[in-house]
Amino acid sequence: QVQLVQSESEVKVPGASVTVSCKASGYAFITYYMHWVRQAPGGGLDWLGLISPSGDPTLHPKKFKGRLILTRDTTTSTVSMKLSGLTSEDTAIYYCAGGPVATRSLDSWGQGTLITVSS
Amino acid sequence: DVVMTQFPPSLPVTLGQPASLSCNSSQSLVYSDGNTYLTWYHQRPGQSPRRLLYLVSIRDSGVPDRISGSGSGTDFTLKISRVEAEDVGIYHCMQGAHWPWTFGQGTKVEIK
Repeated sequence: QVQLVQSESEVKVPGASVTVSCKASGYAFITYYMHWVRQAPGGGLDWLGLISPSGDPTLHPKKFKGRLILTRDTTTSTVSMKLSGLTSEDTAIYYCAGGPVATRSLDSWGQGTLITVSS
Repeated sequence: DVVMTQFPPSLPVTLGQPASLSCNSSQSLVYSDGNTYLTWYHQRPGQSPRRLLYLVSIRDSGVPDRISGSGSGTDFTLKISRVEAEDVGIYHCMQGAHWPWTFGQGTKVEIK
């Protein structure tokens, strides 16, 4: 497992962009696929996408095409998620999470970052 | 996308009694390598999810053996043999066999 620490909560206006960062510690990070998952207030978990250990490729659902950018800095052990064109429906807690490819699951989770979209 | 359906959505339980949570998928979760990629997570109020079981039934370190997972294909079950106070929260199932990965809507376990 790895330890994941995320950036602080933010409030954004509709139409803006937000970047959430996630810093990892632990040797396993260099082999982990890193994922982003969000949870709307009172809702279930929604998988946003993943980035490979090298930073390429990335993969995300079609519904986020053109709005979501995932990056990875191996020198600082940090992954980031940028979501643009925010609407109130993007209000949620955003989690970074990771796991070894062999299990196709997420064994390490960040503490979560609350993104509130409001005018 | 693969639809994951969990039931019941809410499960009131008595301490010391068993509990059973179900998760069904709209497609088989058997991957081309022969493994079944079904994972269970537990989320306590105000906390991040924590993985409990992966590959249907393999427990994570620290997960008590009163929690078990079973199932195959499209039908899966998480069982708690004797519910304790620490078991309250939301249980999420997730499939990792098909892109995009998808979660169920969760089962909320609470003490009666």
